[in-house]
Amino acid sequence: GQQVMQIPQYQHVQEGEDFTTYCNSSTTLSNIQWYKQRPGGHPVFLIQLVKSGEVKKQKRLTFQFGEAKKNSSLHITATQTTDVGTYFCAGPNMGYQKVTFGTGTKLQVIP
Amino acid sequence: DADVTQTPRNRITKTGKRIMLECSQTKGHDRMYWYRQDPGLGLRLIYYSFDVKDINKGEISDGYSVSRQAQAKFSLSLESAIPNQTALYFCATSDLRGSSYNEQFFGPGTRLTVL
Repeated sequence: GQQVMQIPQYQHVQEGEDFTTYCNSSTTLSNIQWYKQRPGGHPVFLIQLVKSGEVKKQKRLTFQFGEAKKNSSLHITATQTTDVGTYFCAGPNMGYQKVTFGTGTKLQVIP
Repeated sequence: DADVTQTPRNRITKTGKRIMLECSQTKGHDRMYWYRQDPGLGLRLIYYSFDVKDINKGEISDGYSVSRQAQAKFSLSLESAIPNQTALYFCATSDLRGSSYNEQFFGPGTRLTVL
């Protein structure tokens, strides 16, 4: 079945440093979603990318979808303590019946 | 009011006990899902349902069963709980209509401990 891996599993950064998490799928994805889960909270949808090579920005967050539609990345510029949490990528199966979540990257920001 | 609610929020039970986790939603979505979260393993799909007559197994359905009592309600049961079912359980909904196409909306989660 479809597998979605993320690296790194954990990342500690000093406040103000940049952060990147990478997502790799074993199969070609029709689109990719990103979610954020704050400590003690539930995953919350951030964005969805659909097109090959697509790049989208949300303030300090930059999301990319690979040309082959098998990988994606999330880059945070100048991290803040509010960025703390676990970031998940997720890809639907071809029929959009279900979504496979990545293993997640837990970000800790040191003030 | 929250769009997706889960009860209970925390539960401690003993090995062999039957337990039910409940999920309700007011979003009007047809699709509902149960996930399990374990550290380092992300979110894994247990069961999903597209309407009251449509129930499908996910990647880790063994030891679990579900019931879709109505469009708005989706329950997860552990017939005989075992310690390795200790985890954080999330219910989610989605829809393929409108601007939130296929976006998953999660409930607050149920933390289950099996002793």
